[in-house]
Amino acid sequence: NAGVTQTPKFQVLKTGQSMTLQCAQDMNHEYMSWYRQDPGMGLRLIHYSVGAGITDQGEVPNGYNVSRSTTEDFPLRLLSAAPSQTSVYFCASIESSGAGGELFFGEGSRLTVL
Amino acid sequence: AQKVTQAQTEISVVEKEDVTLDCVYETRDTTYYLFWYKQPPSGELVFLIRRNSFDEQNEISGRYSWNFQKSTSSFNFTITASQVVDSAVYFCALKLGNTGKLIFGQGTTLQVKP
Repeated sequence: NAGVTQTPKFQVLKTGQSMTLQCAQDMNHEYMSWYRQDPGMGLRLIHYSVGAGITDQGEVPNGYNVSRSTTEDFPLRLLSAAPSQTSVYFCASIESSGAGGELFFGEGSRLTVL
Repeated sequence: AQKVTQAQTEISVVEKEDVTLDCVYETRDTTYYLFWYKQPPSGELVFLIRRNSFDEQNEISGRYSWNFQKSTSSFNFTITASQVVDSAVYFCALKLGNTGKLIFGQGTTLQVKP
């Protein structure tokens, strides 16, 4: 059972480049989300989706786009990378928004923007 | 507003000492869930425990125990007889009952020295 899979695990970008972080889950979870982790700040919510075709902004959405065309996939796009987006990114899923179960996290993607 | 505070940024103990990690949360919702996650040096997020707002019973799992007190809005985590392998960053998080969003504390870095 793969759970939540993120790719790539590491990426170095130059300022202004674009890229997509991929996230896929095989648990048929409705809810998926993206967090970024920065030193001393815990994890902060970037974007989330409560189901295919539905996305919304979290706490720190600027500079990122998302889409949810299928239940399984929730890619995070950086259209023009900035050094402030250097961070570790985690994708997470849960069965449904109201569920009390745990969030399942991917292994993280470390992004460096030069 | 919802918030999670982990006032201890870093804790250093010697192996076999007991250590308590503090977590204080803020929410006006009556239905919510509290979580603890461990992030070892390898970077992944490891789920430790989930507690819902209607269950104040304390829990023990091996060397780990959790003390949930609604009266003080705290959900503290104690490691008994700490070991070097407990060295990690520990996050406390709050999830409201009707959303899939996790609100994380800043994290506490625990260093257990041999």
